[in-house]
Amino acid sequence: DVKVTQSSRYLVKRTGEKVFLECVQDMDHENMFWYRQDPGLGLRLIYFSYDVKMKEKGDIPEGYSVSREKKERFSLILESASTNQTSMYLCASQGGGQTVKAFFGQGTRLTVV
Amino acid sequence: AQKITQTQPGMFVQEKEAVTLDCTYDTSDQSYGLFWYKQPSSGEMIFLIYQGSYDEQNATEGRYSLNFQKARKSANLVISASQLGDSAMYFCAMRETMDSNYQLIWGAGTKLIIKP
Repeated sequence: DVKVTQSSRYLVKRTGEKVFLECVQDMDHENMFWYRQDPGLGLRLIYFSYDVKMKEKGDIPEGYSVSREKKERFSLILESASTNQTSMYLCASQGGGQTVKAFFGQGTRLTVV
Repeated sequence: AQKITQTQPGMFVQEKEAVTLDCTYDTSDQSYGLFWYKQPSSGEMIFLIYQGSYDEQNATEGRYSLNFQKARKSANLVISASQLGDSAMYFCAMRETMDSNYQLIWGAGTKLIIKP
């Protein structure tokens, strides 16, 4: 079965720390996405990647960067974590085609103190 | 302007009743796709159903059906015979054809609680 795995379910980090959120998919998908989910705001796209080493900014890229060195892995980096980055982070993976659905990881709930 | 609007932040429904979750969308594309996802408390997003803008029939998947009214730009999710396990957040999303990277545009979600 299809699998998208995020490295951590829960994380607590201190303000100013560099934080890495890892996402791995086993479906050989070209497209991978990082979303942030906050109550009442739905999912907001941070960054996405459509190929190895390719990345595009989403709606809220400020304070984040990403890395995609291998097709199966897409990392989200918080260069200097701040309390307003406390949120649920969701990774998604998707193949080509208009109708193909996205597969999601289980989410990482990050708290920055 | 909001591209996907879910007007019900929360809903309480009695078990075994049918539920309709509202979703309206805004696009100038002729070809687009509409999705519904379920997110239980565990956090994982679960795909439920898809409707293409050119599909003539409303999509159905088991107890889920999509009431697609193109002229009104509405894509409501209907859950028949609700179960306690249906309690979750539900998100409506849209993919516009012009978006070559297949990004989804998301609504704010509806929290559905099924009462025993």
